[in-house]
Amino acid sequence: DTAVSQTPKYLVTQMGNDKSIKCEQNLGHDTMYWYKQDSKKFLKIMFSYNNKELIINETVPNRFSPKSPDKAHLNLHINSLELGDSAVYFCASSHGQGGAKNIQYFGAGTRLSVL
Amino acid sequence: KQEVTQIPAALSVPEGENLVLNCSFTDSAIYNLQWFRQDPGKGLTSLLLIQSSQREQTSGRLNASLDKSSGRSTLYIAASQPGDSATYLCAVDLTGANNLFFGTGTRLTVIP
Repeated sequence: DTAVSQTPKYLVTQMGNDKSIKCEQNLGHDTMYWYKQDSKKFLKIMFSYNNKELIINETVPNRFSPKSPDKAHLNLHINSLELGDSAVYFCASSHGQGGAKNIQYFGAGTRLSVL
Repeated sequence: KQEVTQIPAALSVPEGENLVLNCSFTDSAIYNLQWFRQDPGKGLTSLLLIQSSQREQTSGRLNASLDKSSGRSTLYIAASQPGDSATYLCAVDLTGANNLFFGTGTRLTVIP
């Protein structure tokens, strides 16, 4: 069983479209995250949610909106896609905050290509 | 602003060699430092987490050290194997909120 699963694995779309990436974890974790890895492989956090509440919100355009229907899911919705949104998006989860509970478990990533 | 740098960017070694990967960070007031590996086309796998009060952590052939005052961490891999080939990333957490600042990674190739 995959611990953190993301769908789809690949997403190719046109500029201006709206798309969503889904993430689910079956680890019973309280905290979930979204990261963006750019073409230079630099990884940066976008959001984190703890028990469906937003904890971290880095400087991300408001075209990106995370949605957490329950603590096992954190979906990423992107409006009006731009060329610069092309990247690999990773979802992750952890038990919570503090000590070894900070260890994050990552999904396999979603490669988004905006044409 | 925290900046995390990893040197070298890429490293090739013959199988069996011991090797050291370096990570440096600009703000020494960290909560913890973590090492991850990333295989091509896959997500990150956590290898070691060092709390700010610790000097090192070990897991199997891996040993990570932390020197907060100098803003450095090293990942030592003993008796390298081809299966160790991957990109290794270090990340620092400043506050314990798990807001990780990642380095740029070191791509390791172990040649059989």
